[in-house]
Amino acid sequence: ELLLVESGGGFVQPGGSLRLSCAASGSTVTSSYMTWVRQAPGKGLEWVSIIYSGGSPFYADSVRGRFTISRDNSKNTLYLQMNSLRPEDTAVYYCAKQASPLTGWFDPWGQGTLVTVSS
Amino acid sequence: QSVLTQPPSASGTPGQRVTISCSGSSSNIGSNTVNWYQQLPGTAPKLLIYSNNLRPSGVPGRFSGSKSGTSASLAVSGLQSEDEADYYCAAWDDSLNGPVFGTGTKVTVL
Repeated sequence: ELLLVESGGGFVQPGGSLRLSCAASGSTVTSSYMTWVRQAPGKGLEWVSIIYSGGSPFYADSVRGRFTISRDNSKNTLYLQMNSLRPEDTAVYYCAKQASPLTGWFDPWGQGTLVTVSS
Repeated sequence: QSVLTQPPSASGTPGQRVTISCSGSSSNIGSNTVNWYQQLPGTAPKLLIYSNNLRPSGVPGRFSGSKSGTSASLAVSGLQSEDEADYYCAAWDDSLNGPVFGTGTKVTVL
């Protein structure tokens, strides 16, 4: 059974950077479509980025040009490099596996890691 | 940004049936399958329904999904106290070239 564990969240000032990690165990995610979804405090779910098996990334308009999704197949780990952070990026960030291409079907999800952007 | 619209809240007494709607457009629900997630307080979302009406292993049969045109619904029959949670719909959006989520519905068991 695939298990996803996020890490790397924390407190950062506006304009700063953070790199989130999503370590997979129990199964390889090398050929999987993987995604990041975030949830601001008290708000709903917002898709952030997705990376396909061939490595092609896609981003939500709100983060394009500031965030970079990548993966290290040797470590079975997904990353999200976040630069030029803004207060509105404050959220719990979840990684998840897209169970079927071009769908909103994500399973499983990690437990999430909190990112707080504030001065 | 949430492209799919859900009612902010729904409620029922134990044993009742509760239905949650999810309204979209031709670029998302109208042309792609709908999935539903349950988020218990303080936890990560959990897949509840996929491909419009299929339940993953372990999800109770009292949860069911349906889709018609550009709208979808999640029904909870025989409501139980442990069903008190936030529920989100999700679908791929061909115009945005990415997945979109619903605004979320908080279900309260009275």
